[in-house]
Amino acid sequence: DVKVTQSSRYLVKRTGEKVFLECVQDMDHENMFWYRQDPGLGLRLIYFSYDVKMKEKGDIPEGYSVSREKKERFSLILESASTNQTSMYLCASSFIGTGVEKLFFGSGTQLSVL
Amino acid sequence: GENVEQHPSTLSVQEGDSAVIKCTYSDSASNYFPWYKQELGKRPQLIIDIRSNVGEKKDQRIAVTLNKTAKHFSLHITETQPEDSAVYFCAACAMDTGRRALTFGSGTRLQVQP
Repeated sequence: DVKVTQSSRYLVKRTGEKVFLECVQDMDHENMFWYRQDPGLGLRLIYFSYDVKMKEKGDIPEGYSVSREKKERFSLILESASTNQTSMYLCASSFIGTGVEKLFFGSGTQLSVL
Repeated sequence: GENVEQHPSTLSVQEGDSAVIKCTYSDSASNYFPWYKQELGKRPQLIIDIRSNVGEKKDQRIAVTLNKTAKHFSLHITETQPEDSAVYFCAACAMDTGRRALTFGSGTRLQVQP
């Protein structure tokens, strides 16, 4: 069974802090993604990566950066946390097989920025 | 980029009735359309998907239809049961060109009344 593990379930940080959200997958997937989930807005793509040391901006990358030094690990970084970054953050990984792409999600990190 | 709109935002049905959720997309290059189900407090999981070379796909009580001309696709759940209560997300992706990352709709909260 695919496992996508996010390091923290709940996180409380102060405005201006640098925040690291970690995600690890154990299925040797090439693709990894970071989404944020807000009520009424669905899942919005922040960043994604197709391979080690590569990254692509999603739809809402402002205020975030990412790091992918190893295939299994994809980190989301909030350089200077702000209250509008309070949200549920979901990491996902995927493989491409027979022309379809299935996302496997982590259980999420609920981040509160005070 | 791709824009996916989803309606309705909430849907309440009686057990045994059918439920229909509709999505439209903007990018004519999109050719992969999955649906994810997220139960309360859990991670989203893929329940069904369709490629653009197919007009309809069924899996037991759920089905998805696609109208490429209208850029419209729908999820149909028949004989609804209380365990169908969840938030459902549609998504779209251009698998063959551009970025291979899902753009999600804003979600539909389905409540099945026993």
